[in-house]
Amino acid sequence: NAGVMQNPRHLVRRRGQEARLRCSPMKGHSHVYWYRQLPEEGLKFMVYLQKENIIDESGMPKERFSAEFPKEGPSILRIQQVVRGDSAAYFCASSQYRTKTQETQYFGPGTRLLVL
Amino acid sequence: KQEVTQIPAALSVPEGENLVLNCSFTDSAIYNLQWFRQDPGKGLTSLLLIQSSQREQTSGRLNASLDKSSGRSTLYIAASQPGDSATYLCALADTGRRALTFGSGTRLQVQP
Repeated sequence: NAGVMQNPRHLVRRRGQEARLRCSPMKGHSHVYWYRQLPEEGLKFMVYLQKENIIDESGMPKERFSAEFPKEGPSILRIQQVVRGDSAAYFCASSQYRTKTQETQYFGPGTRLLVL
Repeated sequence: KQEVTQIPAALSVPEGENLVLNCSFTDSAIYNLQWFRQDPGKGLTSLLLIQSSQREQTSGRLNASLDKSSGRSTLYIAASQPGDSATYLCALADTGRRALTFGSGTRLQVQP
C-alpha cells in the first residue's frame, strides 16, 4: 500500500508564474489536508478537503491560492502569481476517517517550492 | 486559539540515554494528540496518537503521555540510538476541527 504521494518534489518558479502541487492520498483515504512549512517555522494548516468538497479553508490565503480534490485524480494546490514569500515546503496529508478521536493523518514527502 | 509549545528546541544526548521531550498546549478541548518525527528534507512520520480519553500510548521504545488538565504531553524515548536523530513534532486536533495545530518541534541529536 503506497503512502501519500506528492509531486513534484521540488519546484522552481519565477515571480508571477503559477505553481501546481499535486497530492495522491493513500488508497482508501478520502480526506486530504494541505499544510505549509515556511523556512525556520512550524507547519501551518491551510485547507481540508473531501472528495469534491472544501470543508475548511480557514488557513489558506484569500488571494492567489486555491485547492481542489476532484472525484477522480489527485488533489491540487494551486498558487497563482507566486511571490518570494511563497517559498516553502508544502505537505499533504490524508486520512481514513473512523472517529474524530482516532483519526491519524499520514503525510507525504512534501513539495519544496522555490520562487526566484 | 490553540498554542502549542515544545521545549527544549534542541537536545543533544549520548547514545543509550533515556530522554523526555515536552509539549504543552493552551486549550484542553482536543480530540487527540499526535507525535511525529521529521527527518531533514523529508516528510512527517506518525509515531503515536493519543486519543483525548487516553493517558498514554506505547510503541517499542517510545511512550507518550497526555495530561489534558495540565495541558501537557511528553514523549519518552528509551535507550536512544543515533537513528533517533530527527525533529520531533507534537500536534493536536482541536475539538470541532480536523486540522492539526503543530508545535515548532524539538531537534534531537543522538551522539554515537
